[in-house]
Amino acid sequence: DAGITQSPRHKVTETGTPVTLRCHQTENHRYMYWYRQDPGHGLRLIHYSYGVKDTDKGEVSDGYSVSRSKTEDFLLTLESATSSQTSVYFCAISGRQGAENTGELFFGEGSRLTVL
Amino acid sequence: GENVEQHPSTLSVQEGDSAVIKCTYSDSASNYFPWYKQELGKRPQLIIDIRSNVGEKKDQRIAVTLNKTAKHFSLHITETQPEDSAVYFCAASKGGYQKVTFGTGTKLQVIP
Repeated sequence: DAGITQSPRHKVTETGTPVTLRCHQTENHRYMYWYRQDPGHGLRLIHYSYGVKDTDKGEVSDGYSVSRSKTEDFLLTLESATSSQTSVYFCAISGRQGAENTGELFFGEGSRLTVL
Repeated sequence: GENVEQHPSTLSVQEGDSAVIKCTYSDSASNYFPWYKQELGKRPQLIIDIRSNVGEKKDQRIAVTLNKTAKHFSLHITETQPEDSAVYFCAASKGGYQKVTFGTGTKLQVIP
């Protein structure tokens, strides 16, 4: 499982409320990513991080922000949730420090978010 | 940015038959092409990948081919089994830890 966990795994919230999803990894991977998965759209990159406090936007970053204050944690925040942000969110990691660079992404189990 | 198109979106095959999923990419600088399998309710997991310096790669019943000139790559599954039923995603990146762009997925159903 590459030592990656997401929390919460399920959340129901109302439009306009803030939501934070957490991704925690224990394998000392440098790179962390947040994807959303929606029917017909596959996996779309929201934001990614290439080091502590180093982040960049993906293809669907509007309405989302991220923070990475330490190697282990990558937080995804919806400042004011909307119904269009109802989705399954996957965190992924890659680039274990000191290991061979294979490019493989290791995914978390996903967080299902419903915005009413 | 990179754009990856994947076809078909759904595919049904009889057990024992072969399945082929095709993808095209837009950025000629992309050089790493992984394939992920996602079983129902589970996380995506890498099943095979290919780099641009190789035209074909095999791993038991699965193989991937790459045509750099045409900018397309394909996944081939032979002797399909019910446990091959899943959603398959192709992807492309410029290698290393560059952003990985995924296709929209193919739902494969293997009929016993």
